[in-house]
Amino acid sequence: EVQLLESGGGLVQPGGSLRLSCAVSGFTFTSYAMAWVRQAPGKGLEWVATITSGGGGKIDYSDSVKGRFTISRDNSKNTLYLQMNSLRAEDTAVYYCAKLQGHMFHEWFFHYWGLGTPVTVSS
Amino acid sequence: QSVLTQPPSVSGAPGQRVTFSCTGSNSNIGAGSDVHWYQQVPGTAPKLLVYGNTNRPSGVPDRFSGSRSGTSASLAITGLLAEDEADYYCQSYDTGLSVWIFGGGTKLTVL
Repeated sequence: EVQLLESGGGLVQPGGSLRLSCAVSGFTFTSYAMAWVRQAPGKGLEWVATITSGGGGKIDYSDSVKGRFTISRDNSKNTLYLQMNSLRAEDTAVYYCAKLQGHMFHEWFFHYWGLGTPVTVSS
Repeated sequence: QSVLTQPPSVSGAPGQRVTFSCTGSNSNIGAGSDVHWYQQVPGTAPKLLVYGNTNRPSGVPDRFSGSRSGTSASLAITGLLAEDEADYYCQSYDTGLSVWIFGGGTKLTVL
């Protein structure tokens, strides 16, 4: 059974940092691209970042987080990370990690999702 | 404002058929990018409903079906059930922006 479990969310002041983790099981982690998707309170889904499979994974970020967030993966620990720096109020959201599926970028979809971890940026 | 446009709400009575539209452009759906659909019951994580425009993951009833044409896509639900009440999101890939994109979501109310 595929499982994704996020952790590391919480309350942080504007300008602060937070590192999210996503522990996965039930599939060969090294073979799949992974992503973070967020959802602000009462709003829709927003793609945040993607990292492809393999050691030198290709990485992409949404413009809203580029330069502030860093996605990474530890294949030895079956864990995905999101380092979030210079946090702003508008980063407040539930953050989901997701397993990507598909052959090429234009086919990729978010196959399995974690339960999400809430992040609140407020003073 | 989302790159993919969805109507904010749709409603239908139990047993009826409802459809959800997702309108994109020539840099995403019109460029050949696949469209995928997710169901999200409030307070829970999204769940994949349709992938690759028309395919259903195992466990998703055949009451749910997807289609794509030109720069738009649609999701249809037949035999509406009370448990279908949720938010529905379309998703694709924008080749011009090189980003994965979601529609703003459509809230389904079962009357």
